[in-house]
Amino acid sequence: AQSVTQLDSQVPVFEEAPVELRCNYSSSVSVYLFWYVQYPNQGLQLLLKYLSGSTLVKGINGFEAEFNKSQTSFHLRKPSVHISDTAEYFCAGGTGANNLFFGTGTRLTVIP
Amino acid sequence: DGGITQSPKYLFRKEGQNVTLSCEQNLNHDAMYWYRQDPGQGLRLIYYSQIVNDFQKGDIAEGYSVSREKKESFPLTVTSAQKNPTAFYLCASSPRYTEAFFGQGTRLTVV
Repeated sequence: AQSVTQLDSQVPVFEEAPVELRCNYSSSVSVYLFWYVQYPNQGLQLLLKYLSGSTLVKGINGFEAEFNKSQTSFHLRKPSVHISDTAEYFCAGGTGANNLFFGTGTRLTVIP
Repeated sequence: DGGITQSPKYLFRKEGQNVTLSCEQNLNHDAMYWYRQDPGQGLRLIYYSQIVNDFQKGDIAEGYSVSREKKESFPLTVTSAQKNPTAFYLCASSPRYTEAFFGQGTRLTVV
């Protein structure tokens, strides 16, 4: 079975500080990995994706993630957060079956 | 503009009633999905469809039904058999083997 685990349900961080949101995956087949962001009462917006190739993936809003096959991780990072980054972040995995499986989410709160 | 449109944004249902949530996409994507979101539980897959006139149950299909008569449309009916329907419902679509694109969601409340 495929799954992703987000290790932190809530992450508070001060404005302009760096942040890392952790995601580990489990899959017996090749997997695609994604990070989405969700603002209150809205849908999910894609931040970045790893399909193949370079393991360091850059996304929108200054976020990046690194695919680490040996540690089965896909952690999301940003060197300096802003108030506007306060949101819920979801890690997701997909296989060739056209079926995404999601983590339970990490609520990032940026403190002024 | 291309995208996924869910309607209505807010929906109230009396106990024992069926309600239908609309999802339309103009992205020409083959696959469409319905997810349910509850606080602290992430997204759970209700149904998905990879092609017109075909759909598959997800992890929590009981009490829900769908149809896929057109490529652009994938409506979800929440039936009276769904015992706890209050939730945020998200529709998504995707081309093959890549990310899903999401609508803005429908918040369903049982009154």
